[in-house]
Order: sequence, then structure tokens, then C-alpha cells
Amino acid sequence: SQQGEEDPQALSIQEGENATMNCSYKTSINNLQWYRQNSGRGLVHLILIRSNEREKHSGRLRVTLDTSKKSSSLLITASRAADTASYFCAMEGRNYQLIWGAGTKLIIKP
Amino acid sequence: KAGVTQTPRYLIKTRGQQVTLSCSPISGHRSVSWYQQTPGQGLQFLFEYFSETQRNKGNFPGRFSGRQFSNSRSEMNVSTLELGDSALYLCASSLMGLAETYNEQFFGPGTRLTVL
Repeated sequence: SQQGEEDPQALSIQEGENATMNCSYKTSINNLQWYRQNSGRGLVHLILIRSNEREKHSGRLRVTLDTSKKSSSLLITASRAADTASYFCAMEGRNYQLIWGAGTKLIIKP
Repeated sequence: KAGVTQTPRYLIKTRGQQVTLSCSPISGHRSVSWYQQTPGQGLQFLFEYFSETQRNKGNFPGRFSGRQFSNSRSEMNVSTLELGDSALYLCASSLMGLAETYNEQFFGPGTRLTVL
């Protein structure tokens, strides 16, 4: 399979809570990216973390990368209804091709 | 700056027909990638074009083909359509070139293809 693995497949939390989703991969990577897809705005790039970085922040987003375990996590703090979407990780391989996870569907309940 | 545009947005075809989808990248972007997305699935990579050359290719049958023009616009063609080809086809462009250090992709809204 050309896909990475994401878990959980679906996540439902109350507004204001934190959401954590995980991604694992098998090959060496240049970087790992997270994207969000919802019906209103399509698929949008959120954050990129390079292979030599361990943690990165962008607003309410925090991404970690553990290259020894070939895994990454995305934390969304203080969730909002607008965060309801599917979240995908994408690993950039040595040939610059992106390999995608199957996605985590996040639902924020009011 | 205008985003990535795809035409048509919706398409209904019957088995055995062929279809051509079009993608106009963001101005200045030379790399265009195509993906297939089916319900509950992630993105399945079809191919990537850079400066009119196919640079990467996914694991799809030869019925799926593409090309890129000198203005970076790209087309994707699917011949002899099958029911399983029903999907959202996404096009993404990026600056990606030899001088770029990472491949951040900007996606179009997609073409939803239904095969009856």
C-alpha cells in the first residue's frame, strides 16, 4: 500500500476539548505534512514538520515527529465547531512524492 | 492570486466511455499532481507532472493518463470507464522545483465523477 496509517479513524469530542490524532509511516521521509479537508474549503495545508525537527506549533496546532518510531501526532487544542473536518497526514519521500494516510474524521460537538 | 481551478466540477458518464478532466495550477507553479479520492479512503496518488514531464506515477492501470502543457495546465484522461472509477479527482499544484526544499500542495475543489 502507498498509504501511511492514521488513527483513530474517527474522533468525536466536545467543543473546548483537545483532539489528538496519530500517523505512522514506513519509509524515510524529507518531511511530514498535515492537511484538513472539509466541505466548505476543500483540502488545505495546515503545517509541515521537517525530518530534523521534533515539534512544531502553529496557533492551536501542535505537531510532533518521532523519526525513530516513524510516527507523528497532531494536537488541536481548545477545539471549535469549525475544526470539524477530516485530517490527513502526508509524508514526503525522498523523490518528493507525497504518501497519504487514510485520514481521521474529527467531529466537534457543541 | 487565483487558486487551483478544476473543470468540470461534476461529471456523469456511463461505463465504457472516456473522460478528460482539466486543472489550472496557481500561477508560477510548475508541478501538478492528480489524486483519486473515494468515500472513506485517503488520497490515492495518480501521477505528477513537472515542466510537461511525468515525474512520478502511482499504481493505477494504463487507462489513466495525463499530460501537462507548456503553461503548466494539466489534463487527466480516463478511458473505458468502469463503475469503480466513480470518485472525487483532485488536482494539486506546488512550486516544487529543484530549488524548492519541500512539496507543499495547493488543492483545487475537485471533479466529482460518477460512472453509471
